[in-house]
Amino acid sequence: DQQVKQNSPSLSVQEGRISILNCDYTNSMFDYFLWYKKYPAEGPTFLISISSIKDKNEDGRFTVFLNKSAKHLSLHIVPSQPGDSAVYFCAASEGSQFYFGTGTSLTVIP
Amino acid sequence: DAGVTQSPTHLIKTRGQHVTLRCSPISGHKSVSWYQQVLGQGPQFIFQYYEKEERGRGNFPDRFSARQFPNYSSELNVNALLLGDSALYLCASSQYQGGGRETQYFGPGTRLLVL
Repeated sequence: DQQVKQNSPSLSVQEGRISILNCDYTNSMFDYFLWYKKYPAEGPTFLISISSIKDKNEDGRFTVFLNKSAKHLSLHIVPSQPGDSAVYFCAASEGSQFYFGTGTSLTVIP
Repeated sequence: DAGVTQSPTHLIKTRGQHVTLRCSPISGHKSVSWYQQVLGQGPQFIFQYYEKEERGRGNFPDRFSARQFPNYSSELNVNALLLGDSALYLCASSQYQGGGRETQYFGPGTRLLVL
């Protein structure tokens, strides 16, 4: 049973525009959420996280939004750059166990 | 500082064989977690170890086992390999403060192919 879902397998965005990646979860006990970026032949790289007590966290071009009532998480990348092209995974944790979505492949077109 | 390292990078085995994968965490990290990622899916949690003790286990059969050593490195063992065990096996380390809300940092993975 998939507790973390990324319903868009792929997304294409023009360079300089905003990329919005979405994630939904079902378990209301999740209290920490993360986004990872993955290039082929590499392990996932940590990008940004948010605790359940917050609704927004920013780090440079990356902002994560959390809507607990909707059980929805999003990652905004502004402005998008060609180097951002990768697979993005959202993850949620309950205690020490992490649950990952299936990933969204982002392509930033120059 | 070195990140999480894993060995080997690639491995080919045949059905019924046994495999051992190795992981060294980031210096100062005391917890290691193992994940399996099959093509088109996100990483699936297998185990977490902290201070040589198992702290969490995902929904995997008993053919999968792991251990952690005093230097915090870890091994993942899989017995009686099946074709469906072909996957990327990821190791992640974290400081493990016991209260959750920790960030896990991943190694490059070991690509296992079972023929």
